[in-house]
Amino acid sequence: KQEVTQIPAALSVPEGENLVLNCSFTDSAIYNLQWFRQDPGKGLTSLLLIQSSQREQTSGRLNASLDKSSGRSTLYIAASQPGDSATYLCAVYDTGNQFYFGTGTSLTVIP
Amino acid sequence: DTAVSQTPKYLVTQMGNDKSIKCEQNLGHDTMYWYKQDSKKFLKIMFSYNNKELIINETVPNRFSPKSPDKAHLNLHINSLELGDSAVYFCASRHYSQGNSAGELFFGEGSRLTVL
Repeated sequence: KQEVTQIPAALSVPEGENLVLNCSFTDSAIYNLQWFRQDPGKGLTSLLLIQSSQREQTSGRLNASLDKSSGRSTLYIAASQPGDSATYLCAVYDTGNQFYFGTGTSLTVIP
Repeated sequence: DTAVSQTPKYLVTQMGNDKSIKCEQNLGHDTMYWYKQDSKKFLKIMFSYNNKELIINETVPNRFSPKSPDKAHLNLHINSLELGDSAVYFCASRHYSQGNSAGELFFGEGSRLTVL
């Protein structure tokens, strides 16, 4: 069974810093990996989707990479802003047609 | 326009009651899901429907019964509510495809259920 881990569980950085969030998964037999952000009391907002054949995806200040063979993905946030404060979750969609979610990294960007 | 909408957003009820949560998506997706998020923010799949057919039914009590009247709707009915049912329930949808074109997952805003 797929296990998805996100480290660290919480991260606090000063505004303007570049940062990296990590996601690891135990079974490389995946179709894609998706990064979400969740604001308190809100639903999950999709940030980036990386298909298994891709190495990275970019959207604005966000860049997500995928190394399927090593079971790792990173979400890079450039020039962080207080509005980036949220919980970030990754999810893998595996070849058994199931989604598996990590437990998230709670990010606080200090003005 | 909200892509995936759930109602109600908040639900407070007594133990033993029956309640329903409704979900609608206007994205033209053919696959819909119900997830439960516990107090530790862990998301657990409950049900998945593809073209109104149940395709995933995880180990949840049979007090939970999903109903999909059409591809755009997936409702969740809960009988005899218990304290442990308190959680946030999320509806999600996507276009079903396998392989390297597997579709992006979209979530609703969640329905916070509190059982007293």
